Amino acid sequence: GAGVSQSPSNKVTEKGKDVELRCDPISGHTALYWYRQSLGQGLEFLIYFQGNSAPDKSGLPSDRFSAERTGGSVSTLTIQRTQQEDSAVYLCASSLTGGETQYFGPGTRLLVL
Amino acid sequence: QKEVEQNSGPLSVPEGAIASLNCTYSDRGSQSFFWYRQYSGKSPELIMFIYSNGDKEDGRFTAQLNKASQYVSLLIRDSQPSDSATYLCAVRLGGSGYALNFGKGTSLLVTP
Repeated sequence: GAGVSQSPSNKVTEKGKDVELRCDPISGHTALYWYRQSLGQGLEFLIYFQGNSAPDKSGLPSDRFSAERTGGSVSTLTIQRTQQEDSAVYLCASSLTGGETQYFGPGTRLLVL
Repeated sequence: QKEVEQNSGPLSVPEGAIASLNCTYSDRGSQSFFWYRQYSGKSPELIMFIYSNGDKEDGRFTAQLNKASQYVSLLIRDSQPSDSATYLCAVRLGGSGYALNFGKGTSLLVTP
């Protein structure tokens, strides 16, 4: 079946602009995760959604970052007033339920000029 | 800060040899351990997971877990050039937190 999809695959923006990144999880997966991977760094957890429960936002680096998940499926990660240090690959993953194996999407490569 | 440490490498092994990748973690409450492979410019893909002390084998891959010493390793037998990639160790705590804590990865190069 179809895997996790993300869009756009690449995004170039100017410092100070807002960006929205989209994730479509695997059909039937109730858990959805956002990570980011900066050059030379490991994957950094950002936020986790599980069903209708309140999301785990403990990894969001600042209040410029927010995410929502509509209808328990598609998720959007929004970065407001982007900074150059936000440049990274943003990866979305989903799992059947929380704690199950996470499957990653192809990522969105964000470059803030 | 709960740490997951890996040697960045590169680890270079000849084709057909055994590649040994190691990972240590700081939080004794860690419950689940995962190895992901990431080719350059691609997203991570799961190779194996392990929950219990001891060895777990899947084809050419063996994961080893020692909770007392807080390390987990991945052995790749009969290494192939196609195994050349970065290998990420990930750890999940027990309880209600399901996010994975990743190491920075070990770069493996298998030479023909």
